[in-house]
Amino acid sequence: GAGVSQTPSNKVTEKGKYVELRCDPISGHTALYWYRQSLGQGPEFLIYFQGTGAADDSGLPNDRFFAVRPEGSVSTLKIQRTERGDSAVYLCASSSPYTDTQYFGPGTRLTVL
Amino acid sequence: QKEVEQNSGPLSVPEGAIASLNCTYSDRGSQSFFWYRQYSGKSPELIMSIYSNGDKEDGRFTAQLNKASQYVSLLIRDSQPSDSATYLCAVILAGNMLTFGGGTRLMVKP
Repeated sequence: GAGVSQTPSNKVTEKGKYVELRCDPISGHTALYWYRQSLGQGPEFLIYFQGTGAADDSGLPNDRFFAVRPEGSVSTLKIQRTERGDSAVYLCASSSPYTDTQYFGPGTRLTVL
Repeated sequence: QKEVEQNSGPLSVPEGAIASLNCTYSDRGSQSFFWYRQYSGKSPELIMSIYSNGDKEDGRFTAQLNKASQYVSLLIRDSQPSDSATYLCAVILAGNMLTFGGGTRLMVKP
């Protein structure tokens, strides 16, 4: 079956602009996670959804970052007033109701100029 | 002290040898442990999960967990050049999110 998909694969924007990153989880997966990975480091947790609600948003770095999952499937990560330090690969993962194993999408590489 | 620690490497092994990758974690209450492989420019790919003390084998891969010593390791037998990648150890410390180590870069030389 289809894996986790993310769009766009690459996003280049200018400092101060607004961006949206999209994640479509594996069908039937109720849990969805966003992580951010900087070069040479492991992924860092941002936010976790169980169904439509954000169960844990403790990893969001500041209030410029926001994420939604209105129908319990597709999620959008929104970043306002982007800064050069936001440049990273944004990874989405999902897991089924029966396991805590997370499967990752291909990621979105965000570059803020 | 980081919550999940790995030697960054690179770890260089000859083709056909056993590669041994190690990871330590800080929370004694952790119950779920994962190894992911990440090729350059790609996203993490699950290799194995392990939940109980001891060994778990899957093909050429063996994960080992010792909760008393708070370490988890991954052995790769008969290493191949295609195994060259960064290996990420991940632990569920609290809640449901994964906490990753920084990764160990493995190089398998023909």
